[in-house]
Amino acid sequence: SYELTQPPSVSVSPGQTARITCSGDALPKQYAYWYQKKPGQAPVLVIYKDSERPSGIPERFSGSSSGTTVTLTISTVQAEDEADYYCQSADSSGVVFGGGTKLTVL
Amino acid sequence: EVQLLESGGDLLQPGGSLRLSCAASGFTFSSYAMSWVRQAPGKGLEWVSTIGSSGGRTFYADSVKGRFTISRDNSKNTLFLQMNSLRADDTAVYYCAKDHEGGGVTTSGVHFDYWGQGTLVTVSS
Repeated sequence: SYELTQPPSVSVSPGQTARITCSGDALPKQYAYWYQKKPGQAPVLVIYKDSERPSGIPERFSGSSSGTTVTLTISTVQAEDEADYYCQSADSSGVVFGGGTKLTVL
Repeated sequence: EVQLLESGGDLLQPGGSLRLSCAASGFTFSSYAMSWVRQAPGKGLEWVSTIGSSGGRTFYADSVKGRFTISRDNSKNTLFLQMNSLRADDTAVYYCAKDHEGGGVTTSGVHFDYWGQGTLVTVSS
């Protein structure tokens, strides 16, 4: 199986833009997915297939892909966006999560 | 409304066995692959296992292969995880999760649009 690498933490002030990256050799061939995880709550899918947004997810969440790196962008960050964010991908050998990035809203 | 309700978590000793259940409602259970994902205390999410919509295909993480068995009862809309030879590093909250799009012929493209609230498994002597 392969690995997905995320920065452990990202900090932004309210109203600014947060960018969380996820790197992996398989990403040019496989889609990436992003989840928001708050303590004591179930994860929430916020982006699928690199850049698609599920219904009910605010438009300030977006995703992009370039080579071996995918990026989750949260525009106009709000206090409620403070959470852990995980990227995920999958191929025929299994499902892989990144190590997670803690987003702190200052 | 999609609902996934896990049960069966417990405190047990190393080497023990446990069976987790996940009761599903609000969608056509038999049309979707289902998975178990866990999160150890203070750690990240870790995929455990996936089962295809009919139950005919199963997939496991290397860390649990040979010890855990995933199964489903489509007549009862229920997902199971039989865990044997439990170790301390199996301690985690175990989530069941519904695949967003497919029936799960392979794990390629698997991702999760609904998750349960989780059930805690603690393995300790």
